[in-house]
Amino acid sequence: DQQVKQNSPSLSVQEGRISILNCDYTNSMFDYFLWYKKYPAEGPTFLISISSIKDKNEDGRFTVFLNKSAKHLSLHIVPSQPGDSAVYFCAARANTGNQFYFGTGTSLTVIP
Amino acid sequence: DTGVSQDPRHKITKRGQNVTFRCDPISEHNRLYWYRQTLGQGPEFLTYFQNEAQLEKSRLLSDRFSAERPKGSFSTLEIQRTEQGDSAMYLCASSDPRGRETQYFGPGTRLLVL
Repeated sequence: DQQVKQNSPSLSVQEGRISILNCDYTNSMFDYFLWYKKYPAEGPTFLISISSIKDKNEDGRFTVFLNKSAKHLSLHIVPSQPGDSAVYFCAARANTGNQFYFGTGTSLTVIP
Repeated sequence: DTGVSQDPRHKITKRGQNVTFRCDPISEHNRLYWYRQTLGQGPEFLTYFQNEAQLEKSRLLSDRFSAERPKGSFSTLEIQRTEQGDSAMYLCASSDPRGRETQYFGPGTRLLVL
């Protein structure tokens, strides 16, 4: 039962353009969402988070949008840089527990 | 603050052997999590500690798996009688509930069971 889904396994974007990574979830009890970036042979690195009481959170080049009615969140990276090339995971936690659920990841390649 | 550390980084073992992994969280973090990640998948939750208490365990954590956090600091994850299906990356994360409960991950231990 995959409660967090990332339907695009990969994405390629030209340097300087916007990268949009998408994530869908099924559990209406999720109230906290995070995006992580992962390089090969390393653990995931926290990027940005959003609480369900907000619909947008911005941190530098990274913005996360949350659409609760659609159970959808997205990560926008603008402008994209070659160093952004990595696998991106979205994760969610329900307000009833401490377990985090991760998507399967989207591999982003930023082409110089 | 040196981040979350895990030891060893790599482990190769034969089927049927026992293995133990160690995780040292960020010092002021009282919450500690273990995850397992296989190729093409995201991290899957295994278990969660708050201080020394193990508060949640996943159905994925069979009786061959045991985790401890005896003094509320470092944690160990032991797998007994390893099977080839146990081959995966084992990730540890810690968080501070005073903050935004963001989890900070270690580099992981890659296990290969032959």
